[in-house]
Amino acid sequence: DAKTTQPTSMDCAEGRAANLPCNHSTISGNEYVYWYRQIHSQGPQYIIHGLKNNETNEMASLIITEDRKSSTLILPHATLRDTAVYYCIVRVLGGTSYGKLTFGQGTILTVHP
Amino acid sequence: KAGVTQTPRYLIKTRGQQVTLSCSPISGHRSVSWYQQTPGQGLQFLFEYFSETQRNKGNFPGRFSGRQFSNSRSEMNVSTLELGDSALYLCASRPPGQGSEKLFFGSGTQLSVL
Repeated sequence: DAKTTQPTSMDCAEGRAANLPCNHSTISGNEYVYWYRQIHSQGPQYIIHGLKNNETNEMASLIITEDRKSSTLILPHATLRDTAVYYCIVRVLGGTSYGKLTFGQGTILTVHP
Repeated sequence: KAGVTQTPRYLIKTRGQQVTLSCSPISGHRSVSWYQQTPGQGLQFLFEYFSETQRNKGNFPGRFSGRQFSNSRSEMNVSTLELGDSALYLCASRPPGQGSEKLFFGSGTQLSVL
């Protein structure tokens, strides 16, 4: 699985958009970008994933650059409950890496009132 | 639908003992994977089971083992506990369907080894 680089921490004001970047310059053509988050004392929670097109769901939007070397997770209206560690993961969909996600250190997002 | 359930929530053991942790996946999920989370190493994959068979294994010593039952419930066992085994142990289940990669995690078992 390709390696990812994320900022260690970020701050965001409540109600504003939180834009979390992720660099994955060695991504392969068949690797997807996944985002999970982990709120304190809980297990990680799936947010969104995509291959090359921008994706949106009820939680967030995922913007992947045309060369796929980086992506941005957007929380459109951050709330205090969005304070968490956000993990960007790159991996092949399916294949033999059953159930295995390689987590980096992630980005600690702190949402302020 | 109930989420992934892990028991117990907290556990205290002493060095040399062994421990068994339990995980009940979401109903209908047949894949269960286990992760260890420590402040120093972060989240690390332990192993994954599907239909009672281990399909994938991380880089952990043989003291770490697991199994899955016919009802998809899974247990992991750590023998001869060491201080460094103190960690949050997380279980995740995955819905059926080829290529489904959305893992659903439980809240974990916090293991302290004294």
